[in-house]
Amino acid sequence: AQKVTQAQTEISVVEKEDVTLDCVYETRDTTYYLFWYKQPPSGELVFLIRRNSFDEQNEISGRYSWNFQKSTSSFNFTITASQVVDSAVYFCALSEASNYGQNFVFGPGTRLSVLP
Amino acid sequence: NAGVTQTPKFRILKIGQSMTLQCTQDMNHNYMYWYRQDPGMGLKLIYYSVGAGITDKGEVPNGYNVSRSTTEDFPLRLELAAPSQTSVYFCASSYVGNSNQPQHFGDGTRLSIL
Repeated sequence: AQKVTQAQTEISVVEKEDVTLDCVYETRDTTYYLFWYKQPPSGELVFLIRRNSFDEQNEISGRYSWNFQKSTSSFNFTITASQVVDSAVYFCALSEASNYGQNFVFGPGTRLSVLP
Repeated sequence: NAGVTQTPKFRILKIGQSMTLQCTQDMNHNYMYWYRQDPGMGLKLIYYSVGAGITDKGEVPNGYNVSRSTTEDFPLRLELAAPSQTSVYFCASSYVGNSNQPQHFGDGTRLSIL
């Protein structure tokens, strides 16, 4: 069975601090996809990144970076030099390749508050 | 560049009323989904569709119905609204095939049942 855990319910940081959001997943498939979505206060869901299980390279996009470690089943998300606009709920999600599209499993989300 | 469009954005229903949440996408995606998000919670899958004419239940389908007569449209129907269905509803679509794509979401419909 698939499962995504985001143990941090809420995080508060001061602007310009770095912050890491944790995501731990469970799957029996050897091929799967991991995702991060951002939900700002306005409520929409914004796709940030997708990573497949064969690609363990870390990825950096501006102030955002992702650390994928299969050995620990983790796909953590780091925001460097956080800004107030980063305040949002962040969701990690998983979809197994064997039934891709039929079952995206979302974690409960981490609410990030960046204080000025 | 419309993407996934949901209507209405907000709605208040009385217990026992029925309504249809509309969802349309213009990206020619084959898969479409309905999720609900309860306060402070993640998303739970209600129904999904792999193409026109084909739908299947997700994790929490009770109290809902869907149809997919076209590639673009995937309406969600509540037949007898109950307070437990107060939630934010998100429609999403994705392309699944040789190049699997992530889900793209609509802006959500905030539904209150009183």
